Amino acid sequence: DVKVTQSSRYLVKRTGEKVFLECVQDMDHENMFWYRQDPGLGLRLIYFSYDVKMKEKGDIPEGYSVSREKKERFSLILESASTNQTSMYLCASGQLTNEKLFFGSGTQLSVL
Amino acid sequence: GENVEQHPSTLSVQEGDSAVIKCTYSDSASNYFPWYKQELGKGPQLIIDIRSNVGEKKDQRIAVTLNKTAKHFSLHITETQPEDSAVYFCAAYTGGFKTIFGAGTRLFVKA
Repeated sequence: DVKVTQSSRYLVKRTGEKVFLECVQDMDHENMFWYRQDPGLGLRLIYFSYDVKMKEKGDIPEGYSVSREKKERFSLILESASTNQTSMYLCASGQLTNEKLFFGSGTQLSVL
Repeated sequence: GENVEQHPSTLSVQEGDSAVIKCTYSDSASNYFPWYKQELGKGPQLIIDIRSNVGEKKDQRIAVTLNKTAKHFSLHITETQPEDSAVYFCAAYTGGFKTIFGAGTRLFVKA
């Protein structure tokens, strides 16, 4: 069974902390994505990566960065967490066409 | 910019009834329309999709319809069951790396 695994289900951090969200996929997919899910706003793309060490900004990249050192792993970094970054974060992977996305279970991040 | 509008935001039906969720997209270049179901505590999972050259697709109790002229597409669930309760997202894909998602519909199926 294909799998996208996010390291934490719930995370509580303080304002100003540096936060790392980790994601691993076992499907050998080229492309990986980080989305943010907020009620009434659907899923919004933060960053994506189409190859190791390659990354592109999505629609809401401000305050975030990413790292992809290995094909199967994609990390989202909040350099200095703020309360408006409290949200559900979803990692996804996709094959070459990116039509079908495979999502992890999400990380609910609370920044206090 | 491109967007996908989804209605209703919340839908409550009695078990056995039908449920319909409607979406409208703005980018006429969109050519693939997936629907995702997100159960409590889980990530979204693809449940059905339709391409722009097809008007309707059915898979057991769920079906999708697409009206390209009006830029409308809909999800139909018949004979709803409690396990259908979830958040449903429609999406439109144009190519490349961008999938535009609707805001989501929370479906409650009352037993």
